[in-house]
Amino acid sequence: GDSVTQMEGPVTLSEEAFLTINCTYTATGYPSLFWYVQYPGEGLQLLLKATKADDKGSNKGFEATYRKETTSFHLEKGSVQVSDSAVYFCALMNYGGSQGNLIFGKGTKLSVKP
Amino acid sequence: DTAVSQTPKYLVTQMGNDKSIKCEQNLGHDTMYWYKQDSKKFLKIMFSYNNKELIINETVPNRFSPKSPDKAHLNLHINSLELGDSAVYFCASSQDRFRLTLFGQGTRLTVV
Repeated sequence: GDSVTQMEGPVTLSEEAFLTINCTYTATGYPSLFWYVQYPGEGLQLLLKATKADDKGSNKGFEATYRKETTSFHLEKGSVQVSDSAVYFCALMNYGGSQGNLIFGKGTKLSVKP
Repeated sequence: DTAVSQTPKYLVTQMGNDKSIKCEQNLGHDTMYWYKQDSKKFLKIMFSYNNKELIINETVPNRFSPKSPDKAHLNLHINSLELGDSAVYFCASSQDRFRLTLFGQGTRLTVV
């Protein structure tokens, strides 16, 4: 079945460091890919999405490019802030025969130190 | 505000009790979901309703029963609560099964 694998955390960075959180997926067909973020004590918020190969999703300085050839959707940010500390989830939704639910990776906790 | 809202935000209860979590969305979406987030933060679909019809029912104990009185509401009833039911439960909705999914704030259930 479809699945998402993302790098194990926690990831600890200093403020203004470069961030990469790896995400790869296994799916039949052409899924849409998402990054959701969960700030401490809060619910899930959509961070960015990409619906087809080579699409780049971006929001709040974060970017991720849908790479079909490597089945990846790595999250990047050039300069992280303390306020970016959160758990980041990579997810896919497969429209081919899917029941329409999101399949999540296990989440990566990011801690940014001042 | 337009949103997916769920109540209560926190729920502490004893083993063996029956409890409900309510979810409402005023976005006009057709599809609603319940996801469970375990202690390791792993998120997994439990149920999905589309226009009040059950379309996803993952392998969860039958002590868990969703109820959709109308397409704006999807409540989760849990009977005979067990310690292992402790988790954060998220309600979500989307315009249809394949559109953007928006989440509520979560309900942290603690069974003691």
